[in-house]
Amino acid sequence: EIVLTQSPGTLSLSPGERATLSCRASQSVSSTYLTWYQQKPGQAPRLLIYGASSRATGIPDRFSGSGSGTDFTLTISGLEPEDFAVYYCQQYGSSLFTFGPGTKVDIK
Amino acid sequence: EVQLVESGGGLVQPGGSLRLSCAASGFTFSGYSMNWVRQAPGRGLEWVSYISTTGSAIYYADSVKGRFTGSRDNAKNSLFLQMNSLRAEDTAVYYCARFRAKSGEGYYMDVWGKGTSVAVSS
Repeated sequence: EIVLTQSPGTLSLSPGERATLSCRASQSVSSTYLTWYQQKPGQAPRLLIYGASSRATGIPDRFSGSGSGTDFTLTISGLEPEDFAVYYCQQYGSSLFTFGPGTKVDIK
Repeated sequence: EVQLVESGGGLVQPGGSLRLSCAASGFTFSGYSMNWVRQAPGRGLEWVSYISTTGSAIYYADSVKGRFTGSRDNAKNSLFLQMNSLRAEDTAVYYCARFRAKSGEGYYMDVWGKGTSVAVSS
C-alpha cells in the first residue's frame, strides 16, 4: 500500500504570501494518479488539481501543482482569505485510493 | 446542476446497522464509477469503497471489508452503502463522490456530496 506523507502539518501564513505544500509517496506514483483537494470547515472536499498539475474547472490560476515520482507540490502563489483551509493529496493505485493526512493552511 | 445528496446517517449502537444512500442528479449516473469516503471527527479523509459503473466491480478499504456492502441502482440514480457490525471507529461523516478516469490525464473524484453523519455509540 502506498502511504502519502504531507508536510508541513500546519502552515501559518499571511494573505498575499506564497504557500508551498509537499506530498511525498512511499513508492513512485504516476503523475496521472495524483490529486489535490481543498477542504474548509464543515464543507465537503473540493477538487483542486488532478493529474498532478491540471487545475480543475473554476480553480484560480494562483493554484498550481507539480512533481513526479514520489515528490509532489501544491503551490498557492498569493494567498487569498478564502484559501485558508486544509489541503489533501490523494493517489489512485493498486490499493485504490489513499489520502495524505492533510496540511492546514491557517492565518498567521 | 450536478449534485450528490447523501442520506441515511444517524446514531446507532455498536454492532448495529445503517444503510446510507446517495442520490445523483444533473449527470448520467450510469456512466460514472462512484466512491464512498469518510471523515472521522477532527481527522482526515479515508476512502471506504469504490463501485464501478455497472456494479460489477466493488472494492473496499481493509477497515470495512466484510462489514460494509456497496451497491447502486442506475435506474434510480442512486448509490448505497450497507453498513453492518458497526463500531465506534466507524463514526464519521460519509461522503459519496463521483470518480473520473481520464486515461493519460487523471483519475480523481470531481463531485462530492455534502455528507451524512454516522455516530456509533451506546
